[in-house]
Amino acid sequence: AQSVTQLGSHVSVSEGALVLLRCNYSSSVPPYLFWYVQYPNQGLQLLLKYTSAATLVKGINGFEAEFKKSETSFHLTKPSAHMSDAAEYFCAGVRSGGYQKVTFGTGTKLQVIP
Amino acid sequence: EAGVTQSPTHLIKTRGQQVTLRCSPISGHTSVYWYQQALGLGLQFLLWYDEGEERNRGNFPPRFSGRQFPNYSSELNVNALELEDSALYLCASSSGTGGTSNQPQHFGDGTRLSIL
Repeated sequence: AQSVTQLGSHVSVSEGALVLLRCNYSSSVPPYLFWYVQYPNQGLQLLLKYTSAATLVKGINGFEAEFKKSETSFHLTKPSAHMSDAAEYFCAGVRSGGYQKVTFGTGTKLQVIP
Repeated sequence: EAGVTQSPTHLIKTRGQQVTLRCSPISGHTSVYWYQQALGLGLQFLLWYDEGEERNRGNFPPRFSGRQFPNYSSELNVNALELEDSALYLCASSSGTGGTSNQPQHFGDGTRLSIL
């Protein structure tokens, strides 16, 4: 079964610093991968998705993620953190074909320190 | 384009009661998903409906059930409520049928259910 692991339930960065949120997947077949963001009292919003077209995926709000098959990773990065980036981030993955359910990671709360 | 809408936004129930949560997907989306987000437990998959059929189910007891209507809206029913059912219930929708799994899910803002 597809599983997704997010390393670090809480990450703190200074405003203007690099944001790096880690996600690893386990699968013998490269899956489709997604990053979502959740602000307090809201649902999840899609940041970006990987569907095998390109390994470097650019998303909204300046975020990007790189699919690395050799490392089974799909880490989310942003060069310079902004206060508005403080939220919870979820990595998700799904295998292709049939009614495969999406598996979400446990989430990483990002704190941005002024 | 209207997003995924959920109702009600907040609900307070007592143990043993029953509750129905409602979800309207984005126009044109045929798949509806339900998730439970309890404090400290992450996002737990509940149910997936597509074209009116249940396509997949998470590891929840049978007292969690639902259905999808011909207009693709959906209901989640929870019977015999327990304290641990207190959570944010999120609905999401996606386009594509036949299990097109590369389509991202679009989420509503959820229903906050509190069990006293």
